[in-house]
Amino acid sequence: EAQVTQNPRYLITVTGKKLTVTCSQNMNHEYMSWYRQDPGLGLRQIYYSMNVEVTDKGDVPEGYKVSRKEKRNFPLILESPSPNQTSLYFCASREIPGQRGTEAFFGQGTRLTVV
Amino acid sequence: GENVEQHPSTLSVQEGDSAVIKCTYSDSASNYFPWYKQELGKRPQLIIDIRSNVGEKKDQRIAVTLNKTAKHFSLHITETQPEDSAVYFCAASRTGTASKLTFGTGTRLQVTL
Repeated sequence: EAQVTQNPRYLITVTGKKLTVTCSQNMNHEYMSWYRQDPGLGLRQIYYSMNVEVTDKGDVPEGYKVSRKEKRNFPLILESPSPNQTSLYFCASREIPGQRGTEAFFGQGTRLTVV
Repeated sequence: GENVEQHPSTLSVQEGDSAVIKCTYSDSASNYFPWYKQELGKRPQLIIDIRSNVGEKKDQRIAVTLNKTAKHFSLHITETQPEDSAVYFCAASRTGTASKLTFGTGTRLQVTL
């Protein structure tokens, strides 16, 4: 079954304690990205990656890091989480959009609370 | 960069009525416009998309229209049912490498009995 898998689904942590949210896809997609979803703000892109070892900032990258060492995995790293990073996070993957545009497949989401 | 505005933020309709959600975009080079539905506690999932070479696309009770000149596109749901209750997101992107999906802020649709 084609899917994007994120872990954990729920996470409560304290300010300053490093954490990693994992994301894995089995569709051999080149393009992966992270979004955060906040009420009234929709889905905002944090970082994206076009392929292995190729990553770039999205609209709200401050306080986040990513890596893409393998095509299937795209972890999101919060080196020193702060309360304003409390949010619902989604990983997504899609084929590199050619001439037709392509569907984004989302993971199940990770609800992060930073206290 | 692209900016997508979506209205209304909330919409309540009676079962069987129609619902319309509207989005405008700013980047005239955008040519791919998907709509995603997010049920409570679930992930967003694609329900319909349209590309700039067509003005309208229909799939059973849902349809999307696109006006490239005015840079706006709309989602139409007819004969609404309780299971249509969800948050709907529009998005816009260019095609080609490094194209990013820019999402609207979402519309919470409530279908009442």
